[in-house]
Amino acid sequence: DQQVKQNSPSLSVQEGRISILNCDYTNSMFDYFLWYKKYPAEGPTFLISISSIKDKNEDGRFTVFLNKSAKHLSLHIVPSQPGDSAVYFCAASARGSNYKLTFGKGTLLTVNP
Amino acid sequence: GAGVSQSPRYKVAKRGQDVALRCDPISGHVSLFWYQQALGQGPEFLTYFQNEAQLDKSGLPSDRFFAERPEGSVSTLKIQRTQQEDSAVYLCASSAGGNRDLSNQPQHFGDGTRLSIL
Repeated sequence: DQQVKQNSPSLSVQEGRISILNCDYTNSMFDYFLWYKKYPAEGPTFLISISSIKDKNEDGRFTVFLNKSAKHLSLHIVPSQPGDSAVYFCAASARGSNYKLTFGKGTLLTVNP
Repeated sequence: GAGVSQSPRYKVAKRGQDVALRCDPISGHVSLFWYQQALGQGPEFLTYFQNEAQLDKSGLPSDRFFAERPEGSVSTLKIQRTQQEDSAVYLCASSAGGNRDLSNQPQHFGDGTRLSIL
């Protein structure tokens, strides 16, 4: 039973345009969400996070939006750059066990020059 | 080093052999985590250490899997009598957080050990 779902296995965008990666979750106990970026043969790299008390967090070109009622979050990358091409994982943790991350299956983002 | 270091990067073993995977966390990081990532999947939680104490091992698939962190720094994940379904990338992560609420202490991952069981 996938508690964190990334329904798009892949996404392709043009350089300079916006990339929007989506993530849905089912566990109402999740209260902290993270995005990780992963290049081939490397470990995931932390990108940005958001607590459930917020609905938006921004860091440079990266913005994460959280819609708790819909149990949905998204990562926006503006403007997209070829170096952003990687697999993006959405992860969540729950109250009482915030150390345990539950990951989605990932979305492969390709940014074309 | 500056990041989480894992060794070996690649390990090939025959079914039935025992293997040991090593993780050197970021210096000073209190918390250490092991995850298993199967092909095409996201990482799945295996176990969590705070210093030398193993506070959660609920994700370990079977009693063939054992993890330790005896001095609160380096950790070893051991798999006994390996089976083909153990083939995966094993990721180690560490964070500076010293309690169970790690909301503001993101986990930093190593590059993993790719384990192949023949």
